[in-house]
Amino acid sequence: DQQVKQNSPSLSVQEGRISILNCDYTNSMFDYFLWYKKYPAEGPTFLISISSIKDKNEDGRFTVFLNKSAKHLSLHIVPSQPGDSAVYFCAAKANAGGTSYGKLTFGQGTILTVHP
Amino acid sequence: DAGVIQSPRHEVTEMGQEVTLRCKPISGHDYLFWYRQTMMRGLELLIYFNNNVPIDDSGMPEDRFSAKMPNASFSTLKIQPSEPRDSAVYFCASSPHGQPFNEQFFGPGTRLTVL
Repeated sequence: DQQVKQNSPSLSVQEGRISILNCDYTNSMFDYFLWYKKYPAEGPTFLISISSIKDKNEDGRFTVFLNKSAKHLSLHIVPSQPGDSAVYFCAAKANAGGTSYGKLTFGQGTILTVHP
Repeated sequence: DAGVIQSPRHEVTEMGQEVTLRCKPISGHDYLFWYRQTMMRGLELLIYFNNNVPIDDSGMPEDRFSAKMPNASFSTLKIQPSEPRDSAVYFCASSPHGQPFNEQFFGPGTRLTVL
């Protein structure tokens, strides 16, 4: 039961263009969303996040959009650079207490390749 | 400050053998997480600890998997006996008090291959 889905296993983009990575979720209890970036042979690193009370959060070249009615979020990278080539994971946290507190649910990841 | 440290980085073993993965979280972090990464399912949370106490182990696949955190600076994930389907990359992550859901800091992972 995949509560967080990244339906595109890979994305290829030209340097300087926009990269759009998508993520869908099913659990209406999710109230906080994060994007992580992962290079080969390294662990994932936090990139950007958004609370469910917002619909947009921007940090430099990275912007995350949240559409709660569609249970969809996306990560925009503008302009894309070759150094952005990595695996991008979407993650979500539920607004619940008990053992769910602190728990992140991750998607399968999308491999982004930015060509020079 | 050193990040999350995991050992070994690579482990190759034969089916039926015991495997122990090790993790040293960032000093001062109260939360420790064990994840498994596979192509099909992405990153799955196996278990997490708060102040050395296991909080949620619902992601542990089966009884062959066990995890311990004897003190604030060390945790182990053990698989006994190991099976080929356990082959994956296992990550340990930690986060500070008050923000277990934001900026979890991941180690470099242990790539496990069970033949």
